Amino acid sequence: AQTVTQSQPEMSVQEAETVTLSCTYDTSESDYYLFWYKQPPSRQMILVIRQEAYKQQNATENRFSVNFQKAAKSFSLKISDSQLGDAAMYFCAYRSARSGGGTSYGKLTFGQGTILTVHP
Amino acid sequence: NAGVTQTPKFQVLKTGQSMTLQCAQDMNHEYMSWYRQDPGMGLRLIHYSVGAGITDQGEVPNGYNVSRSTTEDFPLRLLSAAPSQTSVYFCASSPGGTGANVLTFGAGSRLTVL
Repeated sequence: AQTVTQSQPEMSVQEAETVTLSCTYDTSESDYYLFWYKQPPSRQMILVIRQEAYKQQNATENRFSVNFQKAAKSFSLKISDSQLGDAAMYFCAYRSARSGGGTSYGKLTFGQGTILTVHP
Repeated sequence: NAGVTQTPKFQVLKTGQSMTLQCAQDMNHEYMSWYRQDPGMGLRLIHYSVGAGITDQGEVPNGYNVSRSTTEDFPLRLLSAAPSQTSVYFCASSPGGTGANVLTFGAGSRLTVL
């Protein structure tokens, strides 16, 4: 079974600064997807960024980028120019790319979450 | 386009009571699932469905039942609530097929069992 570990229960950053959230995972599979989700106080789960394991290029979405190290099984999220609206719980998640009977569809394995505080 | 709609948003139960959390999606997604969120544990999969009439267990299925009679609806039933089922519950859906299909989540339902 796959596991996802977020070793930082809480992180803080000054507005306009850069912060990196860590995520490691354990899997024996070679093809999979990785995601970062944001959960603000509203409780809504919002996709921040996703990465296909077969792509070597790190995914980027505006101020959000990842450092995907497949051999090290590491998937960190970098938030640049942090804004007050970035304050939230962030979850790292893994999904197998195995198909066949829909075995992997939507079956995410989540990390424990990291609470990010942004100071003005 | 409403996306994934969960009801109720909040519920308080007494131990032993039963209830159903409703989930409906209007995106014609094949896949639907239920997660529970507990402090320090992230989200854990309870049950999932890959289409109408097909359901299967996730990581923490005990104490919960599901059925999928239509593509749109995927209710989660608690037959005899226990305090350990106090949690925030999320329903999610996604298209079928291969690819990095992204889950669309509902707004969550906070359940307290006294």
